[in-house]
Formats: sequence, C-alpha cells, structure tokens
Amino acid sequence: GAVVSQHPSRVICKSGTSVKIECRSLDFQATTMFWYRQFPKKSLMLMATSNEGSKATYEQGVEKDKFLINHASLTLSTLTVTSAHPEDSSFYICSARPPSNLEQETQYFGPGTRLLVL
Amino acid sequence: QKEVEQNSGPLSVPEGAIASLNCTYSDRVSQSFFWYRQYSGKSPELIMSIYSNGDKEDGRFTAQLNKASQYVSLLIRDSQPSDSATYLCAVNLASKIIFGSGTRLSIRP
Repeated sequence: GAVVSQHPSRVICKSGTSVKIECRSLDFQATTMFWYRQFPKKSLMLMATSNEGSKATYEQGVEKDKFLINHASLTLSTLTVTSAHPEDSSFYICSARPPSNLEQETQYFGPGTRLLVL
Repeated sequence: QKEVEQNSGPLSVPEGAIASLNCTYSDRVSQSFFWYRQYSGKSPELIMSIYSNGDKEDGRFTAQLNKASQYVSLLIRDSQPSDSATYLCAVNLASKIIFGSGTRLSIRP
C-alpha cells in the first residue's frame, strides 16, 4: 500500500504552547488528506479534510482557529494545535487518499502522533 | 443511530478457529466499505476493501457485503495470536470515511 509518514511520532509540551504535526505522502501526490483524533479506547474521529491549495473543511465541533491546517503542497499537510491544553492530549493520525483511488475512497494512514500536554 | 455500528467486544476466539466481525451502517448511498486493523498504540492498517455485494477473499480474510441489509462483515480463518487487535469498520459517506468504534478481537492460544 501507499506510504504516509508523520512527524513527530511523539511530543510533550507545556500548556499554552503550540505544536505542529507534519503529514507526508511519500510515494504519491495527495490532493486530499484527512486529520483524525483518537482518544484511548475510542474510535477515530475525523477532525478536518485538508485540501491542497484551499482551506480545510472542519467537522462540526472542531475549532478551526485552534487546529490550524495547511496543505501547501501535494505531499505535505500540517496540523498546528495552538495554545494546547491538557484536554488536547490525544493520538493524532493523518491519512491520505491516492488519486488513482479517488472513486473508491481508499485512505492510507500515517503512523500517528501522540501528543501529551502537561 | 450511529452511522457505523460495531460490537465493541471483546470477542475471544480460540487459535485456529474462524473469527467473525460484524458491522452495520445507516446510509444507503454508501458505496465503499473497509476493514482496518489497529494494534494498541498504532495507527490503523487497511486489511480489506469491498464495493460490491457478495464475498471478497484475500488470504485468510473474507469480507462480505450485503447492501440491502446494510451489513458488512469480516471473517478471519485460521485465527492466529497475531490477529489479536481492534478491527475498525469504515464506510464512505459524502467523500469522507466514517469509522465504527471498533471490535476488540482476542485470539487465545
């Protein structure tokens, strides 16, 4: 399957700081990437759809000013958690959809970033 | 009603037996269905995708889709301890993938 990377894999930060997470599609160009959040023993919750060259589409209840998404190129999307608080501690996972699978909607996931806000 | 529903488990199956995982979905227009496996602390890994009614086999895995009943299942034959994980059912909905809450599968030796 397609390869998607995330960086960093794990981050610990102080409350009030901002954290940037990168998501890269390594062997294909992705016009669309997705950001999910997963709390312990819960399912993946879609936060936003990241579209190359345009604004991200946020799911209901997700604050766009707190979770800044930038999709500057066909292989890179970034999620910035601004003014992070302990309740933002979670497992953040990105996914990307190869263009050849556009109709079939297959997504490939990055390895995830575990964020701990102290 | 949740868009994608799964029994949370845990489902305990003896090694070598068949594990059967079930999922129902609410939106009749969904056309693409997926099963992902997620080990603890890791991100999901795509196991199977299915788009047409009937069965689709890949090695020890068989996905079954019944659009009339809005039901999709995953069978794992000759279950191995390494199959112990959480299995996520996912359905496309308006160009997004919606996940079920997952079924925790435990294969006992």
